[in-house]
Amino acid sequence: DTGVSQDPRHKITKRGQNVTFRCDPISEHNRLYWYRQTLGQGPEFLTYFQNEAQLEKSRLLSDRFSAERPKGSFSTLEIQRTEQGDSAMYLCASSLSISGGAADTQYFGPGTRLTVL
Amino acid sequence: LAKTTQPISMDSYEGQEVNITCSHNNIATNDYITWYQQFPSQGPRFIIQGYKTKVTNEVASLFIPADRKSSTLSLPRVSLSDTAVYYCLVGDPYITGGGNKLTFGTGTQLKVEL
Repeated sequence: DTGVSQDPRHKITKRGQNVTFRCDPISEHNRLYWYRQTLGQGPEFLTYFQNEAQLEKSRLLSDRFSAERPKGSFSTLEIQRTEQGDSAMYLCASSLSISGGAADTQYFGPGTRLTVL
Repeated sequence: LAKTTQPISMDSYEGQEVNITCSHNNIATNDYITWYQQFPSQGPRFIIQGYKTKVTNEVASLFIPADRKSSTLSLPRVSLSDTAVYYCLVGDPYITGGGNKLTFGTGTQLKVEL
């Protein structure tokens, strides 16, 4: 399978604990995105990388959230001191950005469902 | 910010053609229009992308009028397996305007019945 993969698929944690999710993008893709999705809503942008550079972080994103993509390949999203409001599906997507090309086609992973008790 | 507006839900029957319209009045010159499909507990899946006029692929057609302030996703002869949420997303290759343009709207829940 050469699609986007995410690990774990499900995570249950207690309030106040830290959690880390991993995303492995499609290998030749240079852009990687993180989204959060709650029930009945569309995916909400969190942050994105071009290669290893984090180009933008949503203004709505708490300082408890941090993401890395150290070698321009896989990425991790960490949430510190989780709160019940963090319960959601966390989606990762990747794309191949070509200068002068059309807008990115994002390929999404299956997501990590986080439940904070 | 090119905000998009779609109907919340649509119902159809197997074998019918379904047209879902998205309004994007503030679309910018460099913006493309992309449609995604999402099934429960899965990530969105790319359906089709266009800039102007008409685009067709093996699963759908996308109609974009000259003013580009709206677009219509057309699904020919839908089946039960097309029951899903459909999102339109407006953006350009350089993500001008920031990642907020990458936030999907609430989408259109399509329900297909026998």
